[in-house]
Amino acid sequence: GAGVSQSPRYKVAKRGQDVALRCDPISGHVSLFWYQQALGQGPEFLTYFQNEAQLDKSGLPSDRFFAERPEGSVSTLKIQRTQQEDSAVYLCASSLGQGANSPLHFGNGTRLTVT
Amino acid sequence: DAKTTQPPSMDCAEGRAANLPCNHSTISGNEYVYWYRQIHSQGPQYIIHGLKNNETNEMASLIITEDRKSSTLILPHATLRDTAVYYCIVRLSDGGATNKLIFGTGTLLAVQP
Repeated sequence: GAGVSQSPRYKVAKRGQDVALRCDPISGHVSLFWYQQALGQGPEFLTYFQNEAQLDKSGLPSDRFFAERPEGSVSTLKIQRTQQEDSAVYLCASSLGQGANSPLHFGNGTRLTVT
Repeated sequence: DAKTTQPPSMDCAEGRAANLPCNHSTISGNEYVYWYRQIHSQGPQYIIHGLKNNETNEMASLIITEDRKSSTLILPHATLRDTAVYYCIVRLSDGGATNKLIFGTGTLLAVQP
């Protein structure tokens, strides 16, 4: 069956450009998470949506990062005025329910390189 | 959330069982133990999770000690494709808003031919 789909798979941006990363979760999944993974590190939590509501954005590193999920399905992570330290893999995950007994299923990520 | 401790790396011979340990001595009664793995250039893949009882699925078995302070992930017949970083995570279940997964640095399992 279809898993979590992320696009683009790779993105190269010049410093100062804005980027938008898309996540298509598994159909019917209520919960959606964004993570950032630097080279050689484990994924780090950015933000969480339950349907269209953004319930936790405690992991967003600065106000240049913005995420939305307006219809409770597709989500977009936007980074404004990109900096070199934003270079990382951005992972999206979805889960059927909102409880801790509902596993997260991850996409393969978008690799962002800021030059 | 409780922290986990895993060895940074392990080797396993192809065809043998791989036993990956995880310590979570500060785990609380309402925290699940989750295992994920990540193969190079892919997103983390869900393997298995449990609360108190041992669990088994088509991928692996999860053995949780009676005091819940440690667990072991068992891959019964490791293949070269099982070479990956394996993450053990404890996940809080409190009806809270997020129930997010917090990843550590994991164990790099290298399956040798």
